[in-house]
Amino acid sequence: DAGVIQSPRHEVTEMGQEVTLRCKPISGHDYLFWYRQTMMRGLELLIYFNNNVPIDDSGMPEDRFSAKMPNASFSTLKIQPSEPRDSAVYFCASSLYPGGHTEAFFGQGTRLTVV
Amino acid sequence: AQKITQTQPGMFVQEKEAVTLDCTYDTSDPSYGLFWYKQPSSGEMIFLIYQGSYDQQNATEGRYSLNFQKARKSANLVISASQLGDSAMYFCAMREDFNAGGTSYGKLTFGQGTILTVHP
Repeated sequence: DAGVIQSPRHEVTEMGQEVTLRCKPISGHDYLFWYRQTMMRGLELLIYFNNNVPIDDSGMPEDRFSAKMPNASFSTLKIQPSEPRDSAVYFCASSLYPGGHTEAFFGQGTRLTVV
Repeated sequence: AQKITQTQPGMFVQEKEAVTLDCTYDTSDPSYGLFWYKQPSSGEMIFLIYQGSYDQQNATEGRYSLNFQKARKSANLVISASQLGDSAMYFCAMREDFNAGGTSYGKLTFGQGTILTVHP
């Protein structure tokens, strides 16, 4: 397996534009996580899914953020409209069911810059 | 409320010496998992070591060991014989494994991280 695949790797957009980040989890993984990493706030959990169903979206900063998982092999994180303070590295991770030695595998991240 | 706390923003160690990175956690669940990840300057997240809440022995993976003190709710990472390549950000994480019908089953949250610098 190629691991967790995120696209794009880098995104530069203007304030007010819609941004869509994409993630393909490892095949067979039940859980998918979206994280945001900034210097100020560290690595924040935004939302996570179990079997394509959102379980906890309490970390989503505001209504401008939305995430979907239409099937087991694809998830999107959308920001509309984007703002400069959304600039960060966004990670997607996937894992098998909880319990036992089942670590989360991370994608390479998407570095988002909103100007 | 912060569930994972890493109190050391930065640590320095001499090459070939051992270093301990601190991590404390807060949970009332009986079942959970603790993880350490390494993030080098290139940005990827690399899994290092896992400790389950019911594990009797401290986890070890090569030069990495986890000093698990359940009563104190601490899960410190020990790196023995530090190498220059160990210079990176290190994150402690906790996964909630207790399924009581709540909404946090499987939730994986991270601490703020500790930047480790290894000097030659």
